[in-house]
Amino acid sequence: QSALTQPASVSGSPGQSITISCTGTSSDIGYWKYVAWYQQHPGKAPKLLIFDVSNRPSGVSYRFSGSKSGNTASLTISGLQAEDEADYYCTSYRSTSTYVFGTGTRVTVL
Amino acid sequence: EVQLVQSGAEVKKPGTTVKVSCKVSGYSFSDYYMHWVRQAPGKGLEWVGLVDPENGGTGYAEKFQGRLTITADTSTDTSYMELSSLTSDDTAVYFCATPASFATSGFVDYWGQGTLVIVSS
Repeated sequence: QSALTQPASVSGSPGQSITISCTGTSSDIGYWKYVAWYQQHPGKAPKLLIFDVSNRPSGVSYRFSGSKSGNTASLTISGLQAEDEADYYCTSYRSTSTYVFGTGTRVTVL
Repeated sequence: EVQLVQSGAEVKKPGTTVKVSCKVSGYSFSDYYMHWVRQAPGKGLEWVGLVDPENGGTGYAEKFQGRLTITADTSTDTSYMELSSLTSDDTAVYFCATPASFATSGFVDYWGQGTLVIVSS
């Protein structure tokens, strides 16, 4: 049961848009609509940004958006801000009440 | 207010067992799965497993099969995660987490404060 694959790091300048990919298989991302994204600042608990591929929980900025194509899900952060510097994780339902996280991506705001 | 309060840090010898608790309040414990997630020092999130407090049904990540037990006690609104045959690779912060509502389609939105488990001889 291997983790979903994410780039180790992504960077961008303030105001720019960046996209983080999350590659799985036909058994997880490719099969289910149950994909989510979390943001984690150092020493803090993760925060849910996106669920069910593209839905934002109440209170999450519109600058965060999600999508999926085949076995790959993506998180786009538009209008990059300094506070967006953090670690980001995707997660997907896999099967029989199991989930899997991605390897994580460190976002740096230049 | 939804709250998940975990037990304190643990230091364990290799080969032994650790049991971490997570007491909840502010929502109906039986209605939502309780997930356990761990994070080794400087590493990423790793999904460990879950329990359905209503019926005790569980789901475990394949790598923990055979040495992981997650339970839920609805009389005390507490979930437990027990991991046996500990090795240094199990050194991590262990989080309990729950959706606490149906608004996020089962994805966890509330987290405990984390319990540091150190495995060292």
